[in-house]
This record gives sequence, C-alpha cells and structure tokens, in this order.
Amino acid sequence: DIQMTQSPSSLSASVGDRVTITCRASQSISTYLNWYQQKPGKAPKLLIYTASNLHTGVPSRFSGSGSGTDFTLTISSLRPEDSATYFCQQSYRTPPLTFGGGTKVNIK
Amino acid sequence: QVQLVESGGGVVQPGKSLRLSCAASGFTFNTYAMHWVRQAPGKGLEWVAVISSDETNKYYADSLKGRFTISRDNSKYMMYLQMNSLRPEDTAVYYCARPPNWGSHYFDYWGQGTLVTVSS
Repeated sequence: DIQMTQSPSSLSASVGDRVTITCRASQSISTYLNWYQQKPGKAPKLLIYTASNLHTGVPSRFSGSGSGTDFTLTISSLRPEDSATYFCQQSYRTPPLTFGGGTKVNIK
Repeated sequence: QVQLVESGGGVVQPGKSLRLSCAASGFTFNTYAMHWVRQAPGKGLEWVAVISSDETNKYYADSLKGRFTISRDNSKYMMYLQMNSLRPEDTAVYYCARPPNWGSHYFDYWGQGTLVTVSS
C-alpha cells in the first residue's frame, strides 16, 4: 500500500499569512493527489484534485502543486474560516485509497 | 442537487452486527462507483470499501479481514455496508462518498456520516 505522510501535524498562523502543508507519498504517484478540508463535526470537502486542480467553488487562495512523491497545499492569505484539518489522499494505486494523517490549521 | 444520507449507526456490543445504509439522490446512481470511508474519533480518514456501478466489483481495506460486505440496490438508489463481528476499533463515523466520474478515485460528494460505537 502507498503510505501518505503529512507535515506538520498542526500549525498556528495569523490571518493573512501564507500557509504551506506538505504531503509525501511512499512511492511515486504522478499527480494523483487530492486535498480535502474538514471542519469539526462535518464531512470532508474536496479542495484540490490531481495535485493542482481547484474544485468548483473553492476560493482561489487555495492552490496545490507537486508531482511524484512530494506535494504541497498552499493557502496564500489565511482567513479565519480556513481553520480546519486538511487531508491529502492518493488515487494512483487503488485499492486501497490512502489518506495522510491530517494537518490541523489553527488561527492565532 | 447531489445528496448522500447515511443511516443505521448506533451503539452495538463487540461481536455483533450492524448494517449501514446510504441513500443517494440528485444524480444517476447506477453510473457511479460508491465508497465507504470511516473516521475514528479524533483520528484521520480510513478508506473502507468500494463497489462498482453495476455491483460486479467490490474491494475492501485489508484491515477488515472479510468482516464487512458492501452492496447496493440501484433501483432504490441505496448502498449498504454490512458489518459483522464488530470490534471496539471499528468505532468511527462512517461516510459514504461518491467520485466525480468513472475512473476517478477521489470524492466530490460526501454524506454527513453516521456514528458507529462498538462497546459493551
């Protein structure tokens, strides 16, 4: 199975900051990497698919990049409503689909 | 609009069984594969199982070791997860999720989840 490792596991940043979350795959997954945002008590929401494609309705301050084994999710200017946990997920070799452990973003 | 609504969760004793349901609406159900994903309290997301649009192919997480069975009824726009020999570590919120199209293995729609608690 392909293992997905996210870092950091949590971070605190101020409104307006640029935030970067990293996801690393245990083997090359091309660009088959997706990002989700989850708020407490809610289902995950798709943000980015195939590494860099913004899902419909997602604000343009979110962006994704990377290929192979290393990927990043960037929030260009953090807003209060971005406080959430973010998960990456590989869709290269399935089953199984595998997720990263999550990154909790807190607002200072 | 696309809606996925899970039901059937609750408190169950170890070793018992439970069947979860996912009611779909707002899209042509029989053209999409469907998945179950779970999340233990305070933990990350874990993929559970997938069923193809015509029910011919089913795949499961290795950790389930044959205890869970995924099924669907396209005429009713329903998907199910039969969970047997439940263990405390199966305690989680169970989500049904839909990929955006055939061949995609990520999810653009999720249900609200149903909580399963395995405890004596």
